[in-house]
Amino acid sequence: EPEVTQTPSHQVTQMGQEVILRCAPISNHLYFYWYRQILGQKVEFLVSFYNNEISEKSEIFDDQFSVERPDGSNFTLKIRSTKLEDSAMYFCASSQDRMSGNTIYFGEGSWLTVV
Amino acid sequence: AQSVSQHNHHVILSEAASLELGCNYSYGGTVNLFWYVQYPGQHLQLLLKYFSGDPLVKGIKGFEAEFIKSKFSFNLRKPSVQWSDTAEYFCAVESSASKIIFGSGTRLSIRP
Repeated sequence: EPEVTQTPSHQVTQMGQEVILRCAPISNHLYFYWYRQILGQKVEFLVSFYNNEISEKSEIFDDQFSVERPDGSNFTLKIRSTKLEDSAMYFCASSQDRMSGNTIYFGEGSWLTVV
Repeated sequence: AQSVSQHNHHVILSEAASLELGCNYSYGGTVNLFWYVQYPGQHLQLLLKYFSGDPLVKGIKGFEAEFIKSKFSFNLRKPSVQWSDTAEYFCAVESSASKIIFGSGTRLSIRP
């Protein structure tokens, strides 16, 4: 079965540093998402992306976050100046079409530790 | 605002016991509902989903869920659990065409 793959699987960074998390969505999918899960808490929606634009974003997705598809295939999440509270598992996901009637597939996650 | 509640934070069962995990949602419109599972060290996987039709939905690995509109519930069930079902289970509701909202999750531990 096709998979969403994410790199790195684990990254440790110092507070204030920039981090880029990378995602390779399933090849024929058109919708892309980032979610995060702080340890012990629920999975939270960050942003959805379609046709090279943000479709929807949560209040968590503030100015320090950005997303792009730099090469038309991969999908990245950039955190400009990391804070301790950004430590979390970040999940990329993709779906073939808009949600209704279509399954969203998640990657294995990138565990970010900010020290 | 839409929300999903999972009241059981941690459930411990013996093998072959029956399972029911509760999920309640609040949403005024037509709902699409999901159960995802996260096995230790692995990614979120879709167990089953409800969009319309038969309110009793069957998923992978012997799981099923029943959508009861009057109770705003979508409980997950399995008649006989196995040790390999040890995982975290997340109920979710489609909030809009481009996002889903997850519940806080229920950790299931199965005693061999």
